[in-house]
Parts: sequence; structure tokens; C-alpha cells
Amino acid sequence: KNEVEQSPQNLTAQEGEFITINCSYSVGISALHWLQQHPGGGIVSLFMLSSGKKKHGRLIATINIQEKHSSLHITASHPRDSAVYICAPNTGNQFYFGTGTSLTVIP
Amino acid sequence: NAGVTQTPKFRILKIGQSMTLQCTQDMNHNYMYWYRQDPGMGLKLIYYSVGAGITDKGEVPNGYNVSRSTTEDFPLRLELAAPSQTSVYFCASRETGRAGELFFGEGSRLTVL
Repeated sequence: KNEVEQSPQNLTAQEGEFITINCSYSVGISALHWLQQHPGGGIVSLFMLSSGKKKHGRLIATINIQEKHSSLHITASHPRDSAVYICAPNTGNQFYFGTGTSLTVIP
Repeated sequence: NAGVTQTPKFRILKIGQSMTLQCTQDMNHNYMYWYRQDPGMGLKLIYYSVGAGITDKGEVPNGYNVSRSTTEDFPLRLELAAPSQTSVYFCASRETGRAGELFFGEGSRLTVL
């Protein structure tokens, strides 16, 4: 049983395209985090959401608590956005993690 | 601002050896976590701590031990290493409460041969 489902698993885009990554979860949460992991690299937090929408530069994250769904959007994608994006609902003490969406942006 | 510091970054162990992965954070966070990441899999929780002196098992605790004697340090001990423990290990920390952003260490790549 997977508490967190991400789609798509893999995504290839041309530079400049608008990207959407989806996350559905089955657990009750206090917040949801979006993380970014570059190949061979560490993990950084992009967003933490408990409701509504947040925007940082070209990245936008939304969450619908009632539908248990969150999306991460990247506008005007760039090759440096190539990474794995991980959805992580937080239930309080613990996090659940999706397997990630591997994004490749081609110049 | 160092954040979360993990050492070592790389280590090769022989079957049956033991070692400790060190994790230190300088943000005065109460919550700390140890995860392992296997290829193509999501992060799996090994152990976590909600404060000094308090630890609890996660999803995959077998073969590991932890301690939390101070707020800053959360070492992970591998006893009698096995090939199944070959993985990348991440330590993370966050503030107490709903608003706690999650901070990760750079990871430790462990190979057991």
C-alpha cells in the first residue's frame, strides 16, 4: 500500500515548457513538503504547504486538503531544473515520501 | 550556517563490521530523522527522535541503533553490517510544530561487501 503516489514517474521537457508534477496521498496531514534532489546530490526543501498556494520564483505549489492532492508547477523550465522532485506529506512526527518524479529538461 | 552535517560521505565496510554515521545540526531542532534511500525507491525511515533522550523506530529499524544524548547530535550505529545495508543514508531535522521546514544532510553512501 502506497500512502503517496506521484505522477508522472519520469518527465522529459523542452526548455521553456510549463511542467506539472502531481501528488496524491491517503494519510491525514499537518503539512506537505516538496523536495528537490539533483543527481548524486543532496535533498533540499522547496516548499512546505498546509493550504492554498505558494510561489518561489518560477516554482508554484498548490494543495487541496479535501481532495488530498498537491501539484508542483515549473514555469519556463530550464535545464538546471533537471532533478528528482519528491512529494512528502507530514503527519506530525513522521513523513511519507513518494518515489519521486525524475525531470529532464532538454535545451 | 552549517545546517545538518553528516559524516562520512562515503564508506566501504566488510560484512560483519560495525560503524557509526554521525549527524549534527546547529539549528536547535527537536526533530531529527535517519532515512535510507535505495535506487528507485522512496526514502525509508529508519529511526527518528522528537528531542534529546527520546528515540523511536521507523519503518526499517532492523540492524541499526540510535541515541540522542544532546539536541545537536543523532548518530546512527550499524552493527554487523550486511550487504542489504548498502544504501545512501540521509539525516534530516526540523523545528517542532506544523511550520517546521525539513533540512537534510548531504548524505552518506555506504557499501557493504
